[in-house]
Amino acid sequence: DTEVTQTPKHLVMGMTNKKSLKCEQHMGHRAMYWYKQKAKKPPELMFVYSYEKLSINESVPSRFSPECPNSSLLNLHLHALQPEDSALYLCASSPAVRGSAEAFFGQGTRLTVV
Amino acid sequence: GESVGLHLPTLSVQEGDNSIINCAYSNSASDYFIWYKQESGKGPQFIIDIRSNMDKRQGQRVTVLLNKTVKHLSLQIAATQPGDSAVYFCAESDNAGNMLTFGGGTRLMVKP
Repeated sequence: DTEVTQTPKHLVMGMTNKKSLKCEQHMGHRAMYWYKQKAKKPPELMFVYSYEKLSINESVPSRFSPECPNSSLLNLHLHALQPEDSALYLCASSPAVRGSAEAFFGQGTRLTVV
Repeated sequence: GESVGLHLPTLSVQEGDNSIINCAYSNSASDYFIWYKQESGKGPQFIIDIRSNMDKRQGQRVTVLLNKTVKHLSLQIAATQPGDSAVYFCAESDNAGNMLTFGGGTRLMVKP
């Protein structure tokens, strides 16, 4: 299994809603990532979890809250988002071992904030 | 901050021709440089990577070249096919594969 599975594929939420994005991988990877991608732009790193611990937070607003319940799961909790937060949210994982730079991406969650 | 960028936003090639996609980087401390392909509606897909101590690496129909003197990275695709049509991103990471920065992307369009 070389897949990173993200749910839901599409999400529409109001600015007062609370929702969560989910990501799962069963490749035994110990690093997992959240990226945000706007249309026609490259993915922008948001968070990195290494061995279930948050190792990188790229100055992301607190309305985005990541969670790594175990080595296979990664969540992104959303609260009080703004319309400009509408984007494709990508999850990725990698082995987190020296000598390997390959990361596997999910299909993303297309988020629309209304 | 330091960044990885691309020269050309769109590249149009004839089916069967070779394609060359370029990328300029500024962070000399990166251990790996990676190329990703992203098709419409999908997440990025790993194509090939190259370690900073190498100049060239070949895969199946793809070759990555690294010129550290001018901080330039390129992806060569041989015998380009319609299925190669996508946006291509370069990226850089440390030795443990912690993805840090993606480049601006080049859209490759293959004409039949």
